Amino acid sequence: NAGVTQTPKFQVLKTGQSMTLQCAQDMNHEYMSWYRQDPGMGLRLIHYSVGAGITDQGEVPNGYNVSRSTTEDFPLRLLSAAPSQTSVYFCASSYSGGTPPTEAFFGQGTRLTVV
Amino acid sequence: GNSVTQMEGPVTLSEEAFLTINCTYTATGYPSLFWYVQYPGEGLQLLLKATKADDKGSNKGFEATYRKETTSFHLEKGSVQVSDSAVYFCASASRLSGNTPLVFGKGTRLSVIA
Repeated sequence: NAGVTQTPKFQVLKTGQSMTLQCAQDMNHEYMSWYRQDPGMGLRLIHYSVGAGITDQGEVPNGYNVSRSTTEDFPLRLLSAAPSQTSVYFCASSYSGGTPPTEAFFGQGTRLTVV
Repeated sequence: GNSVTQMEGPVTLSEEAFLTINCTYTATGYPSLFWYVQYPGEGLQLLLKATKADDKGSNKGFEATYRKETTSFHLEKGSVQVSDSAVYFCASASRLSGNTPLVFGKGTRLSVIA
């Protein structure tokens, strides 16, 4: 079972470069989200999607772009990398239907350093 | 909106000690509550969950009870082991007009020494 797969695991960027963090899930989940994890800050929501073609901003969306063309994939794009975007990024997916809300499944993370 | 406040660490305990990590929540609607664990260098794994008042989630010797009257979901374990050293996150998700993404506390780092 693959679950949620993130690539790459590690990345170093120079300030101003752009890149895309990939996220794919094979559980047919409608919900997908991107979080960043910083020391002392916990996990903060960047963007999320409730289904193909639908995205919305989270708590810290500036400097990031997302799209959701398929149920399986939810890439996160850094448009012009800045040192403040140095962080560990996690993608998550969950089943959106039914009550009560269910748990999210997480990828292994991408450790990004911007120099 | 939803928010989660949890005890900030780090917490250092001796092996076989009792563990409590406090977590309180604020939410519109009726949230589901979760505890996630993150071992060094890894992603987050679900540890336990509860979806309604008075539910008790349990796994690997850890327990947490959903207390609506005190809006709390404290994590407990009677006897910790060195292998429990990790970061623990409390989280909530509400269903209003569709489920909302998880909201996390800031995490509590636990170190257990032999």
